[in-house]
Amino acid sequence: GAGVSQTPSNKVTEKGKYVELRCDPISGHTALYWYRQSLGQGPEFLIYFQGTGAADDSGLPNDRFFAVRPEGSVSTLKIQRTERGDSAVYLCASSLGQRETQYFGPGTRLLVL
Amino acid sequence: SQQGEEDPQALSIQEGENATMNCSYKTSINNLQWYRQNSGRGLVHLILIRSNEREKHSGRLRVTLDTSKKSSSLLITASRAADTASYFCATDAGSNDMRFGAGTRLTVKP
Repeated sequence: GAGVSQTPSNKVTEKGKYVELRCDPISGHTALYWYRQSLGQGPEFLIYFQGTGAADDSGLPNDRFFAVRPEGSVSTLKIQRTERGDSAVYLCASSLGQRETQYFGPGTRLLVL
Repeated sequence: SQQGEEDPQALSIQEGENATMNCSYKTSINNLQWYRQNSGRGLVHLILIRSNEREKHSGRLRVTLDTSKKSSSLLITASRAADTASYFCATDAGSNDMRFGAGTRLTVKP
């Protein structure tokens, strides 16, 4: 595709449920990033993939959050036992390589009731 | 944690005027990028300036970087109503992620 796509665009879930958020990066981009953005704030880094491996997951807030990128393209961010505080827009970005311009998807707005 | 801090937090101007937003950061950087965001969704990349550059232009945008002061500015000339958005600076400080500020909310009144 022409740009980074994310699905779903909106997700409403109940506290305690499991959710998966998907990111399709730009074809050929080896680097993939997940960010979380709360209302009125800038994006906060969660995790960075170089190829299939998570090169840096230092931004994941706790062990309820996990992400995979098994074939080095599509990535899935997984959140277990969701809490109301997880409500935010989850943004995915990809780039040709580290230190290059990051191109963002439209985000998934997660609401935990 | 966030590194960049944009100033002002909010800016309201009339169409046709210039808008200047500033960004300050704390650590040495490899590059600094400016992004625009409409309605809290996808960020649009505007411009990247590397640490050895002092100024870059792109259309109506002008970005400066002063590494000695650890600051950058974004100037939008001849603003339009469509420029209304939030603007973020993001720094690449050698770690694996970019650090974003809280953004400047720009309103351009027609």
